[in-house]
Amino acid sequence: SQQGEEDPQALSIQEGENATMNCSYKTSINNLQWYRQNSGRGLVHLILIRSNEREKHSGRLRVTLDTSKKSSSLLITASRAADTASYFCATEEEYGNKLVFGAGTILRVKS
Amino acid sequence: EAGVVQSPRYKIIEKKQPVAFWCNPISGHNTLYWYRQNLGQGPELLIRYENEEAVDDSQLPKDRFSAERLKGVDSTLKIQPAELGDSAVYLCASSDFRRLAGYNEQFFGPGTRLTVL
Repeated sequence: SQQGEEDPQALSIQEGENATMNCSYKTSINNLQWYRQNSGRGLVHLILIRSNEREKHSGRLRVTLDTSKKSSSLLITASRAADTASYFCATEEEYGNKLVFGAGTILRVKS
Repeated sequence: EAGVVQSPRYKIIEKKQPVAFWCNPISGHNTLYWYRQNLGQGPELLIRYENEEAVDDSQLPKDRFSAERLKGVDSTLKIQPAELGDSAVYLCASSDFRRLAGYNEQFFGPGTRLTVL
């Protein structure tokens, strides 16, 4: 069974706009990670945020985590056509070594 | 440095036939994972190895699925016999679980897309 739910399921924006994806989860976690999957490819790790962190930045990516609401958001600023992909959040449960993925958000950036 | 290697990339078989997938993880990564990804869904863990030991196989349908990781390096996942519902992408991932840092970044292979007719 999948832990997280991403919202929206699909998102279409123009190049240069910002894209925001949300993830909700159900149990206590050690950390939350975001992955990108291009069509027909494997997943690529983007960013990790620990349960004691509230916000993290990496290049054009900004991730927030609200453990009280069991939710996270991924913001991609100044989007590019190359950002077109599916984005998944994944949670690592406390004291475990297991990632549980959500169903993903499909992002399409139009040039 | 080479990433996670999987083969074959695509496989089409008829139901009730056997099929096997192979994975070579990133050199030095002691943890290896097999996931199944159904269309429109995120990956779901089938089995996790630490070195040669399967430490989490609770999601592996053991009546028809089997896996091995001899010598703690590459791994094989087998389905026998395959059913129509097994059509999916099978992903292999590896990690170097940094126990001191307490987090786990996984590196994924390109996957094997299985179609069962």
